[in-house]
Amino acid sequence: KQEVTQIPAALSVPEGENLVLNCSFTDSAIYNLQWFRQDPGKGLTSLLLIQSSQREQTSGRLNASLDKSSGRSTLYIAASQPGDSATYLCAVTQGGSEKLVFGKGMKLTVNP
Amino acid sequence: EAGVAQSPRYKIIEKRQSVAFWCNPISGHATLYWYQQILGQGPKLLIQFQNNGVVDDSQLPKDRFSAERLKGVDSTLKIQPAKLEDSAVYLCASSLFWYRGFRRTEAFFGQGTRLTVV
Repeated sequence: KQEVTQIPAALSVPEGENLVLNCSFTDSAIYNLQWFRQDPGKGLTSLLLIQSSQREQTSGRLNASLDKSSGRSTLYIAASQPGDSATYLCAVTQGGSEKLVFGKGMKLTVNP
Repeated sequence: EAGVAQSPRYKIIEKRQSVAFWCNPISGHATLYWYQQILGQGPKLLIQFQNNGVVDDSQLPKDRFSAERLKGVDSTLKIQPAKLEDSAVYLCASSLFWYRGFRRTEAFFGQGTRLTVV
């Protein structure tokens, strides 16, 4: 059974810091890994998708990497801003079933 | 391109009442998911459809929850009777489509329905 873990559960940092968010998964048989952002009371917004054959993806100040063999992904946020405050979730799409399995998320607070 | 549509956005009901949620996925997406997200937790998969067939409903409390996907497009999720612990946000997502000849499994989510059971 696939399990996705995000540690720590919460992080509070001053504005301007470069951040690394971690995600680990137990079963490497995945199609892809997605990072999502969730603002309070809202749905999930897809930030980055990494296919299983890829090593990283970039979008603006965000860079996500994937090491499928070790079951790890990191989301790097450069020069954090108060507007980056949200909960960040990673999810993997299982090979075969295409089941989308989530971690519990990491609540990020960026202080001005 | 229109996103995943869900309604209603908010619902407050008393325990033992019934409630239904509706989801319209992105056109052309074959896979549809319903998730339950309790405050402070990650989304939990309730049911996954591919076209109009059920792929996974192992975590759906079948004594009170039911779901259907009409003609492989829209879907409804029903709770009858509701319990206090059903208070959560119910998220619908769609995935699995063809883009420029490639099969893509990127998931897109609706805004969710916040259910409060009192």
